[in-house]
Amino acid sequence: DIQMTQSPSSLSASVGDRVTITCRASQSMSTYVNWYQQKPGKAPKLLIYGASSLQSGVPSRFSGSGSGTDFTLTISSLQPEDFATYYCQQSYNTPRTFGQGTEVEIK
Amino acid sequence: QVQLVQSGAEVKKPGASVKVSCKASGYTLTTYYMHWVRQAPGQGLEWMGIINPSGGSTSHAQKFQGRVTMTWDTSTSTVYMELSSLRSEDTAVYYCARETRNSLFAFDIWGQGTVVTVSS
Repeated sequence: DIQMTQSPSSLSASVGDRVTITCRASQSMSTYVNWYQQKPGKAPKLLIYGASSLQSGVPSRFSGSGSGTDFTLTISSLQPEDFATYYCQQSYNTPRTFGQGTEVEIK
Repeated sequence: QVQLVQSGAEVKKPGASVKVSCKASGYTLTTYYMHWVRQAPGQGLEWMGIINPSGGSTSHAQKFQGRVTMTWDTSTSTVYMELSSLRSEDTAVYYCARETRNSLFAFDIWGQGTVVTVSS
């Protein structure tokens, strides 16, 4: 199975900060990586697919990059509604593994 | 609009089975694969399996071998996930999620989640 290792597991940031979350895959997978946002008590929401494509309706302050084994999610200017947990996921093969999550908290 | 609506919360005893439903609306069920993902309290997301509602092929994570069954009913646009021999560690929120090939197989639509509690 492909392992997805996210870092950091949590971070504290202020409104307006630039935030970067990384995800490393245990094997190369081109750009078959997706990013999701989850708020407490809610289902995950797709933010980025194919490593860098913005899902329809998602604000442009979210961006993704990477290919092969190393991927990054960036929030250019953190907004109050962005405090949540973020997960990377590989869609290269099954099982469709997720990273362990990064909780973004208010500083 | 496109949405997935899941069945309500369940409380089960250890050793029992649970069957969770996921009703699709706003699109044709057979044109997209469906996945099941679960989340134990305070934990991350765990992929359980995939079903192709057009043809019925399925695949699941090895840890659920022999315990999970995924089915579908095109007449009601509903997919089902049944988990048997429940234990306390199966207490979790269970989600269905639609896979979209247009987005490199990402999960673009999620159900609201079904809480399953396993307790004696």
